Amino acid sequence: DQQVKQNSPSLSVQEGRISILNCDYTNSMFDYFLWYKKYPAEGPTFLISISSIKDKNEDGRFTVFLNKSAKHLSLHIVPSQPGDSAVYFCAARTGGGNKLTFGTGTQLKVEL
Amino acid sequence: NAGVTQTPKFRVLKTGQSMTLLCAQDMNHEYMYWYRQDPGMGLRLIHYSVGEGTTAKGEVPDGYNVSRLKKQNFLLGLESAAPSQTSVYFCASSYYRGRDGELFFGEGSRLTVL
Repeated sequence: DQQVKQNSPSLSVQEGRISILNCDYTNSMFDYFLWYKKYPAEGPTFLISISSIKDKNEDGRFTVFLNKSAKHLSLHIVPSQPGDSAVYFCAARTGGGNKLTFGTGTQLKVEL
Repeated sequence: NAGVTQTPKFRVLKTGQSMTLLCAQDMNHEYMYWYRQDPGMGLRLIHYSVGEGTTAKGEVPDGYNVSRLKKQNFLLGLESAAPSQTSVYFCASSYYRGRDGELFFGEGSRLTVL
């Protein structure tokens, strides 16, 4: 039972354009949603998060949108840069223990 | 500025052998976690700890044991390794409730079971 789903395994975008990565979830008890970025042979690193009581959070080139009624969130990267090429994981937090449930990841490739 | 350190980085085992992965964090975090990453599966939580001397099961705990004898260390043990445990293992840590839920990850340990 996949509670956090990333239905696009890969995405290719041209440098300077917008990258939109999507994530769907099924558990209405999630209280925080996070995006992690992962380069090969490295651990995931935190990118941006959003509380379930908000619908948008922005940090520089990265913006996360949350649509609770649709149980959907998205990460926008504008403008996309070659260094953004990585695997992006969507994650959601449940209450006790600060546990995160991860999606399967989307491989983003930003082309010159 | 070490953060979360995992040892070893790579290991090859034969079926039935045992081993222990060590995770150490220097951020004085209360919570620690072990995840495994498999192709097409994302990261799945194996076990976690909310403080020294405590452990709890995650999503995929079978075949693994953990211990947290010191606040800064979290050990993951495989008593009898199986090929299905071939994976990349990530340790993570966080503050109590985390800053916006953030977990800090180590670089991973790649385990192959033949």
